[in-house]
Amino acid sequence: QKEVEQNSGPLSVPEGAIASLNCTYSDRGSQSFFWYRQYSGKSPELIMSIYSNGDKEDGRFTAQLNKASQYVSLLIRDSQPSDSATYLCAVNPWDNTDKLIFGTGTRLQVFP
Amino acid sequence: EAGVAQSPRYKIIEKRQSVAFWCNPISGHATLYWYQQILGQGPKLLIQFQNNGVVDDSQLPKDRFSAERLKGVDSTLKIQPAKLEDSAVYLCASSPLMEAFFGQGTRLTVV
Repeated sequence: QKEVEQNSGPLSVPEGAIASLNCTYSDRGSQSFFWYRQYSGKSPELIMSIYSNGDKEDGRFTAQLNKASQYVSLLIRDSQPSDSATYLCAVNPWDNTDKLIFGTGTRLQVFP
Repeated sequence: EAGVAQSPRYKIIEKRQSVAFWCNPISGHATLYWYQQILGQGPKLLIQFQNNGVVDDSQLPKDRFSAERLKGVDSTLKIQPAKLEDSAVYLCASSPLMEAFFGQGTRLTVV
């Protein structure tokens, strides 16, 4: 089973700070990477996708991908208490399917 | 655009009973996934359909779980008989290509 690993946290950051969430994956051939946000008791919500090395920015969110290091990260700038949630990293392994393998998630707490 | 619809939202059953969950994906999405999410863990893929064919069911406990996708649209996931360890949220997701969109999930409690 191909693996996706995340630190479970919690990661605690003050309001206004940058939150940095990290994810590593085992399948070197993986091509597509996603970040989902999951509020307690709710279902995962897609917030970012990234397919090529480098950075991709969307509002306060920046996804970073380094395929050589098998590493993908999510930066949240100007963190808000409303960003407090579990962030799930998902990877599409290189096996000619569209399946998504999820990590266990990192719980983020933003305190005022 | 309507999202992924799932029912029921909650279900409590006794062990050894059977249960079924229903999912209606976003219109036009060819891929449908069923995930199991145990509290504190990430979603675990149970089965993936492409239209009405199974792409991956390697982690589906086939002695008790079954799933079908009728005419490439709606899908049902069944558990028979249920065990205590099946208590989880069952998430259905659909995708046009690779970005998956989730329904609200069904929270199953087996007592």
